[in-house]
Amino acid sequence: SQQGEEDPQALSIQEGENATMNCSYKTSINNLQWYRQNSGRGLVHLILIRSNEREKHSGRLRVTLDTSKKSSSLLITASRAADTASYFCATDGTGFQKLVFGTGTRLLVSP
Amino acid sequence: DAGVIQSPRHEVTEMGQEVTLRCKPISGHDYLFWYRQTMMRGLELLIYFNNNVPIDDSGMPEDRFSAKMPNASFSTLKIQPSEPRDSAVYFCASRSPGGAQYFGPGTRLTVL
Repeated sequence: SQQGEEDPQALSIQEGENATMNCSYKTSINNLQWYRQNSGRGLVHLILIRSNEREKHSGRLRVTLDTSKKSSSLLITASRAADTASYFCATDGTGFQKLVFGTGTRLLVSP
Repeated sequence: DAGVIQSPRHEVTEMGQEVTLRCKPISGHDYLFWYRQTMMRGLELLIYFNNNVPIDDSGMPEDRFSAKMPNASFSTLKIQPSEPRDSAVYFCASRSPGGAQYFGPGTRLTVL
């Protein structure tokens, strides 16, 4: 079964607005990662947050992690049309090197 | 660095034919992963290698699928014989020491 599930499945906003996506997972993790996939392309790594971290920033991205609730959120501030893509969270089980990807959130940012 | 390189980018073949997908990982990355992505099943891990050795192939759907990594700079995923339900986008990814995975552009496979 998939480890991570994103919510919402789809999100439509206007340029300049903030976009928040959530991810829930089931088992203990070493780290949680977020990826972006543009249509017809491979996944692009955005940010990695370790299990002992609670918040991490990278440019307009802010990721939080709550291991007690087994959840994470990705916030994109001041969104742009170019942010239109699918966003996936991925987790690794403790002691394992492979990632299990969620089902993704499709983000549409309209000009 | 050119990133992860996959070939071909598109492959159209007929049922029963052999298909070979190729991947060149990023130099210095010691893990390599093969994924399959479909609308119905999402992104599935098929197999991964560490230092050219297959570690976990539990995601390989059937004996028709096989993967090799003869050296640190090359891997293949072979489907023989191919079936229409194998149609998907196949991604190769390599893992940096920090844990992030870097994906190739994918091979879009269509089996008629």
